[in-house]
Amino acid sequence: DQQVKQNSPSLSVQEGRISILNCDYTNSMFDYFLWYKKYPAEGPTFLISISSIKDKNEDGRFTVFLNKSAKHLSLHIVPSQPGDSAVYFCAAYKILTQGGSEKLVFGKGTKLTVNP
Amino acid sequence: NAGVTQTPKFRVLKTGQSMTLLCAQDMNHEYMYWYRQDPGMGLRLIHYSVGEGTTAKGEVPDGYNVSRLKKQNFLLGLESAAPSQTSVYFCASSGTGVGWTEAFFGQGTRLTVV
Repeated sequence: DQQVKQNSPSLSVQEGRISILNCDYTNSMFDYFLWYKKYPAEGPTFLISISSIKDKNEDGRFTVFLNKSAKHLSLHIVPSQPGDSAVYFCAAYKILTQGGSEKLVFGKGTKLTVNP
Repeated sequence: NAGVTQTPKFRVLKTGQSMTLLCAQDMNHEYMYWYRQDPGMGLRLIHYSVGEGTTAKGEVPDGYNVSRLKKQNFLLGLESAAPSQTSVYFCASSGTGVGWTEAFFGQGTRLTVV
């Protein structure tokens, strides 16, 4: 049962334009959603997150939108740069009432290519 | 500050051989994790540890064992390697397990089992 889904394995955009990466989830109990960025031959690095009680979080060129009713989140990159070319993973986790959190659940990733 | 270091970075094993992957972190993190990444599958949790001397199973634990004898090290063992264990393995650590924004990943170990 795949709880976090990234249905687009790849996305190609022109430099300077907007990149929109999408993610759907099935578990309405998730408390936080995160985006990780991964370059080839490197480990994933944290990019941006959003709490389930918010609908938008912005950090520079990166904005994450959360639509709880649709169980959908998206990452917007504006403007896109060639250095943004990487695999982007959507992930989510649930806070435990006794403290700590459940494991991070990852989507399969979307490979973004930004063309000069 | 090295962060999370994985050794080795590459390895080729024959079916049935055994090996140990080492993960070391210098951030005094309590939580450590082993993931595997396969094409089209995202990252899947193999085992994890919430502190020195503790381990727990993740999503895909079969065929692997782990040990956390020291807080800074988390070892992943393959007792009898199989071709299905060909993958890229990532170790990660975090301070408390709450707030994955603080999790750090190693550079990965590419393992091929022939």
